[in-house]
Amino acid sequence: DTGVSQNPRHKITKRGQNVTFRCDPISEHNRLYWYRQTLGQGPEFLTYFQNEAQLEKSRLLSDRFSAERPKGSFSTLEIQRTEQGDSAMYLCASSLSRDYTFGSGTRLTVV
Amino acid sequence: GQQVMQIPQYQHVQEGEDFTTYCNSSTTLSNIQWYKQRPGGHPVFLIQLVKSGEVKKQKRLTFQFGEAKKNSSLHITATQTTDVGTYFCAGPTNTGNQFYFGTGTSLTVIP
Repeated sequence: DTGVSQNPRHKITKRGQNVTFRCDPISEHNRLYWYRQTLGQGPEFLTYFQNEAQLEKSRLLSDRFSAERPKGSFSTLEIQRTEQGDSAMYLCASSLSRDYTFGSGTRLTVV
Repeated sequence: GQQVMQIPQYQHVQEGEDFTTYCNSSTTLSNIQWYKQRPGGHPVFLIQLVKSGEVKKQKRLTFQFGEAKKNSSLHITATQTTDVGTYFCAGPTNTGNQFYFGTGTSLTVIP
């Protein structure tokens, strides 16, 4: 386990469909974050887990978005009833203390 | 709300020239981090600054944290084509659980 793994790398979906992304953090990292990044912008915070507890959620995370980290290891991010505005790169990061290690992201395109 | 702004948004330099990006926060930061994102890649952690007035160097990169802990800069001496990418600063939120990323400075190095 050399880094943060995200699957799939790319996802194209039709508007209105549900999608789910997976993140496998670095195994000893207890903190896990989801960020969203659109072209030309910095990553925007979505949600944060410490172990299995979801401790913080951004107001960006509408009720169509839900994230889980059931056993404090991998995490999933689900988007229901996708909209074109959801098209973005979804980045997962994990950390043990100070700095993030980001995964390669899942690029979502809603058509 | 808390904002982290970066200038310039874009910078084109000839290889060998110096480059500086500036980061400004609307609030005092307990620490600041810098990340580099190559085109098509994900953000990679570079450094964290914690102390007022702190200066850290990594080879040709010099990072500085302002005395008031509201601004920071990244200076690259004698740029190389491998320096191409977007440089983001990130400051922690009040809870410290996650970071606000700046808007980024996209660096292009012309060989």
